[in-house]
Amino acid sequence: NAGVTQTPKFQVLKTGQSMTLQCAQDMNHNSMYWYRQDPGMGLRLIYYSASEGTTDKGEVPNGYNVSRLNKREFSLRLESAAPSQTSVYFCASSYYGGPQHFGDGTRLSIL
Amino acid sequence: GIQVEQSPPDLILQEGANSTLRCNFSDSVNNLQWFHQNPWGQLINLFYIPSGTKQNGRLSATTVATERYSLLYISSSQTTDSGVYFCAVRGDMRFGAGTRLTVKP
Repeated sequence: NAGVTQTPKFQVLKTGQSMTLQCAQDMNHNSMYWYRQDPGMGLRLIYYSASEGTTDKGEVPNGYNVSRLNKREFSLRLESAAPSQTSVYFCASSYYGGPQHFGDGTRLSIL
Repeated sequence: GIQVEQSPPDLILQEGANSTLRCNFSDSVNNLQWFHQNPWGQLINLFYIPSGTKQNGRLSATTVATERYSLLYISSSQTTDSGVYFCAVRGDMRFGAGTRLTVKP
């Protein structure tokens, strides 16, 4: 009963490096989401995928790309990391309009 | 986009006290969710409550969609209730800024 699994849990990058955050869910959910959480704030939606084969921008998509690899997996890519992208990244999944279930987060620091 | 406001921003309670957290939203929504973020950063689902009232142990929630607010009630608070409570409205997938709850023994 893993639920939503995010890898890695921690990462430190240098400015300009690229990186892909991985997310997988085993609940047979159709929708998946990527959020970022900055200190003292709520989560903000970066991108989401309502179903396999579709992706849409959220509130803060600039500087990110996503890939819905299959029904289980949804990855987030930073092509050229910037210090402003230092944050905690959460992946979530849901079954159509139902409640979202979250992974434990990836803590990303960009120097 | 839709605005989500939570109040109060901070709340300090003695163990055993009751509390009410509020979530106001600026437009109609078709669903709403309450989460608890524990001190380790994990987000725990509390309620999926687009309307009506639900209860789960010491916690209950009420959403009045026509008046654009939701309330989370915590009774007989425990130190393990400490953390940040978020509401999120799914129409635009917007989170409020949260209420930070500290329960003192």
